[in-house]
Amino acid sequence: DAMVIQNPRYQVTQFGKPVTLSCSQTLNHNVMYWYQQKSSQAPKLLFHYYDKDFNNEADTPDNFQSRRPNTSFCFLDIRSPGLGDAAMYLCATAIGPNYEQYFGPGTRLTVT
Amino acid sequence: AQSVAQPEDQVNVAEGNPLTVKCTYSVSGNPYLFWYVQYPNRGLQFLLKYITGDNLVKGSYGFEAEFNKSQTSFHLKKPSALVSDSALYFCAVLEGKLIFGQGTELSVKP
Repeated sequence: DAMVIQNPRYQVTQFGKPVTLSCSQTLNHNVMYWYQQKSSQAPKLLFHYYDKDFNNEADTPDNFQSRRPNTSFCFLDIRSPGLGDAAMYLCATAIGPNYEQYFGPGTRLTVT
Repeated sequence: AQSVAQPEDQVNVAEGNPLTVKCTYSVSGNPYLFWYVQYPNRGLQFLLKYITGDNLVKGSYGFEAEFNKSQTSFHLKKPSALVSDSALYFCAVLEGKLIFGQGTELSVKP
């Protein structure tokens, strides 16, 4: 059974056209993370929510925002995608900040 | 500063042979260490972790890892490799957030 679900799996957007990626979880975990991963590099943490508390990484571009309307769902909004934002976006959840993270299958974003 | 190093970009192993994927870390205090595997176009899958206790940790799919405090290492091992083990492997340390190594591509040939 899928535990961390990401939709869509593949997303194509145009340069500058806002796009939203979604993540949902059936684990009832308190923490949800968003990572960006480019071409087999290590995932780069963008931000995370601990319950409703939002934590932004210092080097996350302002172009990226996130929403967590409830425990189960978390969204990644890219306001004006550039060509450099093409990547795999991974959502992960954890019971707490010091526990193993469970990753979704990812959304591969293409910017044309 | 906390860091994780995976010194090999790629490891090639024949099926049936033992495999080792190397990881060293640098952290202050006691480390929380993890191994994840990633198959093409998929998310990361948790393999195993070391928090405390026995230095030899057993995980999913027959993998194990040995925590060595004196050498600050946490190498991933499997006694007999399968072709299906071919994937990208990440070592990570948890200090507020996961800090990943650069990844090691494991290729197991028949």
